[in-house]
Amino acid sequence: GAVVSQHPSRVICKSGTSVKIECRSLDFQATTMFWYRQFPKQSLMLMATSNEGSKATYEQGVEKDKFLINHASLTLSTLTVTSAHPEDSSFYICSASRDRTYYGYTFGSGTRLTVV
Amino acid sequence: DAKTTQPTSMDCAEGRAANLPCNHSTISGNEYVYWYRQIHSQGPQYIIHGLKNNETNEMASLIITEDRKSSTLILPHATLRDTAVYYCIVSVGNTDKLIFGTGTRLQVFP
Repeated sequence: GAVVSQHPSRVICKSGTSVKIECRSLDFQATTMFWYRQFPKQSLMLMATSNEGSKATYEQGVEKDKFLINHASLTLSTLTVTSAHPEDSSFYICSASRDRTYYGYTFGSGTRLTVV
Repeated sequence: DAKTTQPTSMDCAEGRAANLPCNHSTISGNEYVYWYRQIHSQGPQYIIHGLKNNETNEMASLIITEDRKSSTLILPHATLRDTAVYYCIVSVGNTDKLIFGTGTRLQVFP
């Protein structure tokens, strides 16, 4: 199979603090991972493409200094929400592909971030 | 800039086939069609994907028209657990990116 693990599943943090979310591919190597966010009753919005060993590519309108992405190994990408504010509260989801031709993309179970 | 169009919602009786349509009229020759579903507060679950030919797996069948401008996902015997939002997605060109549209909310009723 192709399993993507995301941690934590839920996190509550105080306004102004930073939160790190991890995304791991458990049984395959992923040179590319993707980060999405989803607000209630809305679809997933692609935030950035995480590239192993190089800088992430951010979608238009996504602040790269606020959403720091590190893809230090072929099995781990992290998203750090810096100086979080209540409007950053959302559902964050990562995905990776073992081979999009044969396996498609696998998504993590998501992280519910609540900033208070 | 989602490249697919789906009905907002659909209903299906339990045990009947659910046929979910998707329009992707601007699809390019090397772009795949992917179907995912999302149950509340969970990550999207892979269902099936295809390029040109019809595909079938243990979950569903995917019927792609000959001109590739539309497709239909078929859940042969819908159950209450199939209630979810179903997304039809076309990969972006030569990138690996998947851009989600608004999806179809499928409600399976007893």
